[in-house]
Amino acid sequence: EAEVAQSPRYKITEKSQAVAFWCDPISGHATLYWYRQILGQGPELLVQFQDESVVDDSQLPKDRFSAERLKGVDSTLKIQPAELGDSAMYLCASRYNMRLAGVSDTQYFGPGTRLTVL
Amino acid sequence: GEDVEQSLFLSVREGDSSVINCTYTDSSSTYLYWYKQEPGAGLQLLTYIFSNMDMKQDQRLTVLLNKKDKHLSLRIADTQTGDSAIYFCAESIWDDKIIFGKGTRLHILP
Repeated sequence: EAEVAQSPRYKITEKSQAVAFWCDPISGHATLYWYRQILGQGPELLVQFQDESVVDDSQLPKDRFSAERLKGVDSTLKIQPAELGDSAMYLCASRYNMRLAGVSDTQYFGPGTRLTVL
Repeated sequence: GEDVEQSLFLSVREGDSSVINCTYTDSSSTYLYWYKQEPGAGLQLLTYIFSNMDMKQDQRLTVLLNKKDKHLSLRIADTQTGDSAIYFCAESIWDDKIIFGKGTRLHILP
């Protein structure tokens, strides 16, 4: 069964350093999402791509976070510089994006990257 | 604004039924979901219900939707130790941006 791949699974860094996370969505999925999940909370959307274009980055802290999906396939999320409050699980999800009446082509989540900032 | 509320903890004896409740505020929601998250893992979609339905059953899982009260529940029959996890209620409009609750941690008692 096809899965969303993410790497690394775990990342420990010191504050003020740069970190990058990678996501490879399920083949053929046009929509890609990055979520942040703080411990004890539900995931919150950071950015949504449709192919290579950003369609929603309203919750992305743009002073330090950036995301790209240059060829509309895999995606990278970067934090520079990392702060203590960025410690969280970063989840990637993808969706085919075909709306049929009564059918949900829903989002499939990867295993996540757990970031610890010291 | 959009908000999804659920209780944080539930303890159930093995073999009993678990019922996890959720309320949401956005009356425009078209899909409502239940996701399962095991420790250190990503989110697994358990089931979803379209807003024009009031019940969906899938093996041990039963989802009930009361659209008037904006109340969603997940019933797990014959709860097993492998059901121990955090369960997230979530909603979206046409499967786009998903709004998640804070999750209910299900603890199974022997």
